[in-house]
Amino acid sequence: DVKVTQSSRYLVKRTGEKVFLECVQDMDHENMFWYRQDPGLGLRLIYFSYDVKMKEKGDIPEGYSVSREKKERFSLILESASTNQTSMYLCASSPTHMTVNTEAFFGQGTRLTVV
Amino acid sequence: GDSVTQMEGPVTLSEEAFLTINCTYTATGYPSLFWYVQYPGEGLQLLLKATKADDKGSNKGFEATYRKETTSFHLEKGSVQVSDSAVYFCALSDQDNFNKFYFGSGTKLNVKP
Repeated sequence: DVKVTQSSRYLVKRTGEKVFLECVQDMDHENMFWYRQDPGLGLRLIYFSYDVKMKEKGDIPEGYSVSREKKERFSLILESASTNQTSMYLCASSPTHMTVNTEAFFGQGTRLTVV
Repeated sequence: GDSVTQMEGPVTLSEEAFLTINCTYTATGYPSLFWYVQYPGEGLQLLLKATKADDKGSNKGFEATYRKETTSFHLEKGSVQVSDSAVYFCALSDQDNFNKFYFGSGTKLNVKP
């Protein structure tokens, strides 16, 4: 069974803390994504990686960075957490763009609360 | 740029009613189109997909047809069940842009017994 695993289901962090959200996939996918999900706004792309050490900004990268040192792992970093980053964070992976007929596979999500 | 627009929710239906959730897209190339479903407390799961014009995706009684002329991919089901209550997301992936995925805002479906 294909799997995308996010390290935590629930996190509570304090304002100003540096926060790491980890995501691991076991499908040897080239592409990995971080989204945040907020009511009424759907899924918004934060960052995207199409290969090891390669990354692209999505629609809302401010306040976030990412790391992809190994193909299977994609980390989202909140440099200095703020209350407006309280949200559900979803990680996904998909095969390379050289493959047609693909889909994205999602993790269970991490609900982050910044207090 | 690429984008997806889907109808606002929530949609409330009685069991066995007919469901339509509208979805339209904007894309520069020839995207693949998807419907994902999210049950409470879970991540997104693929419901169905279509990769080219006039393709019909289907799964669990749900259907959607890729209409290039109207840039639409509306989700339909002939008879909904209480267990279909969830949030539904329309999405596209752009092969000309690394298979990046773009999602609509989601439509919450409530089915009452």
